[in-house]
Amino acid sequence: ETGVTQTPRHLVMGMTNKKSLKCEQHLGHNAMYWYKQSAKKPLELMFVYSLEERVENNSVPSRFSPECPNSSHLFLHLHTLQPEDSALYLCASSQESTVTEAFFGQGTRLTVV
Amino acid sequence: AQSVAQPEDQVNVAEGNPLTVKCTYSVSGNPYLFWYVQYPNRGLQFLLKYITGDNLVKGSYGFEAEFNKSQTSFHLKKPSALVSDSALYFCAVRDGSNTGKLIFGQGTTLQVKP
Repeated sequence: ETGVTQTPRHLVMGMTNKKSLKCEQHLGHNAMYWYKQSAKKPLELMFVYSLEERVENNSVPSRFSPECPNSSHLFLHLHTLQPEDSALYLCASSQESTVTEAFFGQGTRLTVV
Repeated sequence: AQSVAQPEDQVNVAEGNPLTVKCTYSVSGNPYLFWYVQYPNRGLQFLLKYITGDNLVKGSYGFEAEFNKSQTSFHLKKPSALVSDSALYFCAVRDGSNTGKLIFGQGTTLQVKP
């Protein structure tokens, strides 16, 4: 248990569906991240939130929409996804401005059909 | 820009033998380096980090890593491998911004055979 919890663990959705991934951390961190991990590809950083403000969006398609309502919660809203969006989505948190490690959730395995 | 390279897609070792997983980095400024492990369908677990100080860093599960500034390397090592060490290993460098985001290598699969 890392202190970062992601739900659901598994999600199957159709291309016309709307769903949301949730991430919650109880570590008192002030930065949160979404990463995408596809088969045979390195970890891709999608979004960075610092002090609840989005500070980075790495050319992610608009069908992915992040939300950070407070420092403990991070969401990834999904709509009209494509099959190639199937991947493991990892949430992480850390304390910015300090040289500490990031803590990762268990991930949500997303399958788009 | 910060970057990390893991030159081996897979490393195979026999149980009880020493293991090394290689990592090289490129940074501007001080290197803050990390190793993570990932078991199937799980998130990443932190193993160890180098910030400053001794070049040999000790971490979880008997792993250690050696920081070599002249070779810009941060190789992960363990004196005696276990079958349960079989997993995917990631080297990472901290981005120079204040957000603390990590830039990851492509990962190395470690296979330890009995």
